[in-house]
Amino acid sequence: GENVEQHPSTLSVQEGDSAVIKCTYSDSASNYFPWYKQELGKRPQLIIDIRSNVGEKKDQRIAVTLNKTAKHFSLHITETQPEDSAVYFCAPQRDSSYKLIFGSGTRLLVRP
Amino acid sequence: EAGVAQSPRYKIIEKRQSVAFWCNPISGHATLYWYQQILGQGPKLLIQFQNNGVVDDSQLPKDRFSAERLKGVDSTLKIQPAKLEDSAVYLCASSFGTVTYEQYFGPGTRLTVT
Repeated sequence: GENVEQHPSTLSVQEGDSAVIKCTYSDSASNYFPWYKQELGKRPQLIIDIRSNVGEKKDQRIAVTLNKTAKHFSLHITETQPEDSAVYFCAPQRDSSYKLIFGSGTRLLVRP
Repeated sequence: EAGVAQSPRYKIIEKRQSVAFWCNPISGHATLYWYQQILGQGPKLLIQFQNNGVVDDSQLPKDRFSAERLKGVDSTLKIQPAKLEDSAVYLCASSFGTVTYEQYFGPGTRLTVT
């Protein structure tokens, strides 16, 4: 079956610093790569996604980079703020199934 | 646009009792998902519907869990009988399933089995 791993499992940064979370997957047929953010006690919400024909995508302070050959993609957050504190999940997916396999999550803590 | 609705928000039951959760997806969303999220873990897909047909239920414990999607809209997830390890948040999500892949999650139902 599909295997999805995230690293690190926890990450603590000072406000204003950058944070990078890496997701490694096993299914070579994956072609859609989203990142979800889940604040404490709330529902997961999509924050950024990328397709396999694009190597990088940026949206203000967040960006996602994809290395399909190595089967990993990363979430980059610059100029971190306390409200970025949450658990982040990657969930690589095949077009044909619309089925998300969530990673185990990365807990990000931004210290003021 | 109204979001995904779920009820109840919280439920406490004793083991061996039964419980049912309800989900109303975003209007027009053909695909509906039920996830189980145990504390400290990522959501795990239990079942996926496309309209009113089951696409994937490979991780649904069928001896105790059942789900249906009425007329391709609302859905219910039932557990009977419940076990202690079923304590989790049950999330419902929906997506268009064709043009866009983004899944929209409901607020979840927090189940505690004692």
